[in-house]
Amino acid sequence: DIQMTQSPSSLSASIGDRVTITCRASQSISSHLNWYQQKPGKAPKALIYAASSLQGGVPSRFSGSGSGTDFTLTISGLQPEDFATYYCQQSHNSPRTFGQGTKVEIK
Amino acid sequence: QVQLVQSGAEVKKPGASVKVSCKASGYTFTTYGISWVRQAPGQGLEWMGWISAYYGSTHFAQNLQDRVTLTRDISTTTAYMELRSLTSDDTAVYYCVREGELSGTVFFQYWGQGTLVTVSS
Repeated sequence: DIQMTQSPSSLSASIGDRVTITCRASQSISSHLNWYQQKPGKAPKALIYAASSLQGGVPSRFSGSGSGTDFTLTISGLQPEDFATYYCQQSHNSPRTFGQGTKVEIK
Repeated sequence: QVQLVQSGAEVKKPGASVKVSCKASGYTFTTYGISWVRQAPGQGLEWMGWISAYYGSTHFAQNLQDRVTLTRDISTTTAYMELRSLTSDDTAVYYCVREGELSGTVFFQYWGQGTLVTVSS
């Protein structure tokens, strides 16, 4: 199975900050990397697919980059509604595996 | 609009089985596969398995393949997940998820609201 490792596990940031979350795959997954946002008590929501493509309706302050084994999710100008947990997920192979999550909290 | 509506919360005793339904609407049911993902309290996301809504073929996570069955009913556009021999470790929110494929990548595009399954004696 492909292991997905996110860092950090949690971070504290202020409104307006630029936030970067990284995700590393245990083997190359090309660009088959997706990002999800989950708020407490809610189902996850797709943010980015294919490493860098924004899902419809997602604000442009979210961006993704990377290929192979190293990927990044960036939030440029953190907004109050962005405080949540973020997960990366690979769809290169089955089983589809997720990172352990990164919780973004208010500083 | 695409909607996935899941059945309600369940409380089961250890050793029992649970069957969760997922009613899909707003798209052609047989065009997309459906995965099931679960989340234990305070934990991350775990992919359980996938079913082709067209063919009915399935793939499972290795640690669950002996206990989980995925089925679908095309006539009612509903997918089902059955999990047997429940233990307290199966206490979780279970999500059905419709996949999408864009830019050559499959991703979990639409999520059901989740079904809490509690296993307790």
